[in-house]
Amino acid sequence: DAGVTQSPTHLIKTRGQQVTLRCSPISGHKSVSWYQQVLGQGPQFIFQYYEKEERGRGNFPDRFSARQFPNYSSELNVNALLLGDSALYLCASSLRLPSTDTQYFGPGTRLTVL
Amino acid sequence: QQQVKQSPQSLIVQKGGISIINCAYENTAFDYFPWYQQFPGKGPALLIAIRPDVSEKKEGRFTISFNKSAKQFSLHIMDSQPGDSATYFCAASEGGSARQLTFGSGTQLTVLP
Repeated sequence: DAGVTQSPTHLIKTRGQQVTLRCSPISGHKSVSWYQQVLGQGPQFIFQYYEKEERGRGNFPDRFSARQFPNYSSELNVNALLLGDSALYLCASSLRLPSTDTQYFGPGTRLTVL
Repeated sequence: QQQVKQSPQSLIVQKGGISIINCAYENTAFDYFPWYQQFPGKGPALLIAIRPDVSEKKEGRFTISFNKSAKQFSLHIMDSQPGDSATYFCAASEGGSARQLTFGSGTQLTVLP
């Protein structure tokens, strides 16, 4: 049984560039959340999507955007990359809105901004 | 604003010992408190979770103790094993349609053989 998958595994970009990260939730899961984990810190909430609608947004600038597709996969876009955007980006899925459902995390995409 | 404070930052325990990690929160609206385990190169995996209507929950060697009045909760790992060596995160969330997790800063646990 496949868990949450994310692509790419690693990514190197330069300042000012744009990046798109992808996430496929567990089959049957309809909610996807994105988190940023800076080295040595806990994950920080960026976005939550359910049934293709944004249901929550963390304290991140407008350079960060996301969307969820009809098949419930999701993309996270970051524009005008800064050095401080270097982090592990985690995607988590849950069956429904995660009010009581467990959030299952993917392995993450390691983004390095030079 | 750090809403969940976790300590210690690192912990070294002998095999068979008890590992204890503590967290404190500020937001009294939090009503779900999970603990996640993360190995290098992996995403966090849910270990155990508790809601504030109980003071303790045990699953195998892992126990959460919860003190609502003190706004604190802790993870106890009994009979710690080298395979438990990982980073542990406490987290909290409040009800509503967007149950975002607020994580602590993490504890790196090393269990010596």
